[in-house]
Amino acid sequence: DVQLLESGGALVHPGGSLRLSCTASGFIFRNYALAWVRQAPGKGLEWVSVIIATGTSSNYAESVKGRFAISRDDSQNTLYLQMSNVRAEDTAVYYCVKSMRFLVGFLESWGPGTLVTVSS
Amino acid sequence: DIVLTQSPGTLSLSPGDRAILSCRASQAVNSAYLAWYQQQPGHSPRLLIYAASNRATGIPDRFSGGGSGTDFTLTITRLEPEDFAVYYCQLYSDSRPWTFGQGTKVDIK
Repeated sequence: DVQLLESGGALVHPGGSLRLSCTASGFIFRNYALAWVRQAPGKGLEWVSVIIATGTSSNYAESVKGRFAISRDDSQNTLYLQMSNVRAEDTAVYYCVKSMRFLVGFLESWGPGTLVTVSS
Repeated sequence: DIVLTQSPGTLSLSPGDRAILSCRASQAVNSAYLAWYQQQPGHSPRLLIYAASNRATGIPDRFSGGGSGTDFTLTITRLEPEDFAVYYCQLYSDSRPWTFGQGTKVDIK
């Protein structure tokens, strides 16, 4: 079974930094695009970032561009999200998501999420 | 950027009813890039429909998707208790930011 487990969520001050991790199992990690999607408390889903299978290309929502960086370590089956200069509006549950293999934009497996709270 | 608008915001129905959820794009989109997700209370979302009309693995056939251009629908033919949830449409693109609709909540009447 596919398993995705996020970690690293915490309370962080505005302007601070945080790194989220997602460890994966149950599939050939290097073959799949991976993404982060977030959900603010009581709100809807917001796509944050995606990194393709080779790791050579990534994309970001405008709201996080220049502040967040997605990366992957295929040797460790781990996805990362480096968050910098965080803002109150970044407060959310962050989900690690695995794409379908040849349909990169369809998010077929989701982790349970990790909560990031930005507050002074 | 393309905006997805879902309607209604809330749909109040009874078990056994049929639900029809709408997702409208601010401009014509390729239906091959549209998906629907379900989020049950306290759970992570799960993929229901991809490429507008294809059921994801393990999704019951009471769920169906359709539409083209700017208008897409998710139909649930006979609501089961576990179907009372929030549903999101999503559009992805190779060159643009991905986007979700704001969601439709299906609750028990």
